[in-house]
Amino acid sequence: EVQLVQSGAEVKEPGESLKISCQGSGYSFTNSWIAWVRQMPGKGLEWMGIIYPGNSDTRYSPSFQGQVTISADKSISTAYLQWSSLKASDTAMYYCARSGPGAGISSWFDPWGQGTLVTVSS
Amino acid sequence: DIVMTQSPDFLAVSLGERATINCKSSQSVLYSSNNKNYLAWYQQKPGQPPKVLIYWASTRESGVPDRFSGSGSGTDFTLTISSLQAEDVAVYYCQQYYETLPFTFGGGTKVEIK
Repeated sequence: EVQLVQSGAEVKEPGESLKISCQGSGYSFTNSWIAWVRQMPGKGLEWMGIIYPGNSDTRYSPSFQGQVTISADKSISTAYLQWSSLKASDTAMYYCARSGPGAGISSWFDPWGQGTLVTVSS
Repeated sequence: DIVMTQSPDFLAVSLGERATINCKSSQSVLYSSNNKNYLAWYQQKPGQPPKVLIYWASTRESGVPDRFSGSGSGTDFTLTISSLQAEDVAVYYCQQYYETLPFTFGGGTKVEIK
């Protein structure tokens, strides 16, 4: 079974750093793009960026460029999303998702991770 | 960015009746070289991650009930639930995955039982 398992919920204060993870299993991790998607409380889905773990080719949405860093460690089939200095406005659910099987970067997402809730509050 | 506009924002439909959700893209997502529309539909139930229902605008994902269907081409697309069931209560999103990043989502349509 193809599966993405994300790290647990986080509660942080403004200004702190954070790195959340997404571990893939049941498929060749290096051969599919992994995207990150933000969902703010009660809101819709926002595409943040995407990485190809095979060569770490990474692309960002202009809205998130410079605000987050996406990386991957193919040796442990894990992708990451990190912040160097969190803001209250980063409070959201963050999902990782894999590009469809056999597809390149231009693909739908399937499956999705279960989500990581990040709460930033003083 | 390609802007995806869904309508309506909210839809209340009686059990067994048809639900229709529209999605319009600000530019065509039809790739002429392969004649494919780079458009997917997702269902998100409360407390769950999104799940793909339809890709290539009209190809149903394996295991998705056949009451769900997608249609349209170019800039105008529709997701139809032919006979609404209680388990279909969810928010539905369209997404374009055409060549230009970012691969944007529509704002979502919340479907409830009337």
